Amino acid sequence: GNSVTQMEGPVTLSEEAFLTINCTYTATGYPSLFWYVQYPGEGLQLLLKATKADDKGSNKGFEATYRKETTSFHLEKGSVQVSDSAVYFCALKTNSGATNKLIFGTGTLLAVQP
Amino acid sequence: GAGVSQSPSNKVTEKGKDVELRCDPISGHTALYWYRQRLGQGLEFLIYFQGNSAPDKSGLPSDRFSAERTGESVSTLTIQRTQQEDSAVYLCASSLAGGQAYEQYFGPGTRLTVT
Repeated sequence: GNSVTQMEGPVTLSEEAFLTINCTYTATGYPSLFWYVQYPGEGLQLLLKATKADDKGSNKGFEATYRKETTSFHLEKGSVQVSDSAVYFCALKTNSGATNKLIFGTGTLLAVQP
Repeated sequence: GAGVSQSPSNKVTEKGKDVELRCDPISGHTALYWYRQRLGQGLEFLIYFQGNSAPDKSGLPSDRFSAERTGESVSTLTIQRTQQEDSAVYLCASSLAGGQAYEQYFGPGTRLTVT
């Protein structure tokens, strides 16, 4: 079946450090891939997405490239800020079927220290 | 405009009691989803409503779980005879339509604790 595996947290970094959160997936067909973020006390928000192989999603300095050959969608940011502290979820949505439900990874807590 | 709202934000209940969780989607959004997040796990899909179509209930974990939606507005998720394993954060999301291209907007969730 379809599934998402992401690196376990928590990830603790100092401000301005480089961030990578790994995400790999298993899916039939050609899924769309997403990163969602949940800031403390807030709802889940879409951070970025990619809908086909080799697409790069980007937003707020974060990037992720859809790699079909390695079934990966790793999240990166060159210089993190304290305000990036949140839980990050990798997710996929398949193109088949009538229900476009999201399938999520377990989430990775990022803590950025000043 | 207003986002997806959920109530209550927190609910503590005794094992065996019934609970109702409410979701108010964004106005005009025809698609509505319920997800559950248990501690240390990812979000699990529960149920999906799209307009007047029959809901997709394939994610409901047992017959103790049910959900209703009135037209294209409020949805209620009901858990009967709650068990401790039902403790989780229940998230609702809505999207403009049910197609794959439409972004899902999430509410803040209801944290359910069954004692």
